[in-house]
Amino acid sequence: QVQLQESGPGLVKPSETLALTCTMSGGTISNYYWSWIRQPPGKGLEWIGHIYFSGTTTYNPSLKSRVTISVDTSKNEFSLKLRSVTAADTAVYYCARVIIAARPAYYSYVMDVWGQGTTVTVSS
Amino acid sequence: DIQMTQSPSSLSASVGDRVTITCQASEDISNYLNWYQQKPGKAPKLLIYDASELETGVPSRFSGTGSGTDFTFTINNLQPEDIATYYCQQYDYLPLFTFGPGTTVDIK
Repeated sequence: QVQLQESGPGLVKPSETLALTCTMSGGTISNYYWSWIRQPPGKGLEWIGHIYFSGTTTYNPSLKSRVTISVDTSKNEFSLKLRSVTAADTAVYYCARVIIAARPAYYSYVMDVWGQGTTVTVSS
Repeated sequence: DIQMTQSPSSLSASVGDRVTITCQASEDISNYLNWYQQKPGKAPKLLIYDASELETGVPSRFSGTGSGTDFTFTINNLQPEDIATYYCQQYDYLPLFTFGPGTTVDIK
């Protein structure tokens, strides 16, 4: 059974870089997208971006200028870096697996496995 | 960018009721739509994919319909354990994902 676990500092200073890692266990990192999603306190879900196991990335246009997602297949982990953070980046950060299903005329994508989430607070 | 709206933003219903949530996309997304359930303090959980397909292990009282721009999520025979916030999520060919704002369901 695939499990995901986020790790990283719970407190980051304004203007610094938020760095989180998601470690996958119980499966393979190949042939999936690996995604980051966040949820500010009391608010909804925001997709940050994802990386294919081969290294191809796609980012939310609203965060693209500040985000880098990378993957280390040898360690079964992928990472998020968010630069120049402000209080607005305070949130629970989740990692998730994106499964790709081939349909007759398209590809279907779903986030089928999620980490438990890690809270990151941006404050001096 | 495709925008997603959900209504209502919250609702209260009695145990055994039928609950309906709507999700609307700003442009045609075919059936590229998923539904997730998030209980307080927990990670979201996939319930419905491809607008109407029930994820394995999810109770059959949950269902989804729709295509194009208008989608509906239904809980038949609402149970106390269904108290949660429900999110629709669309995706495109990249894939790039967008979540709806969520609908919070509680018990009267």
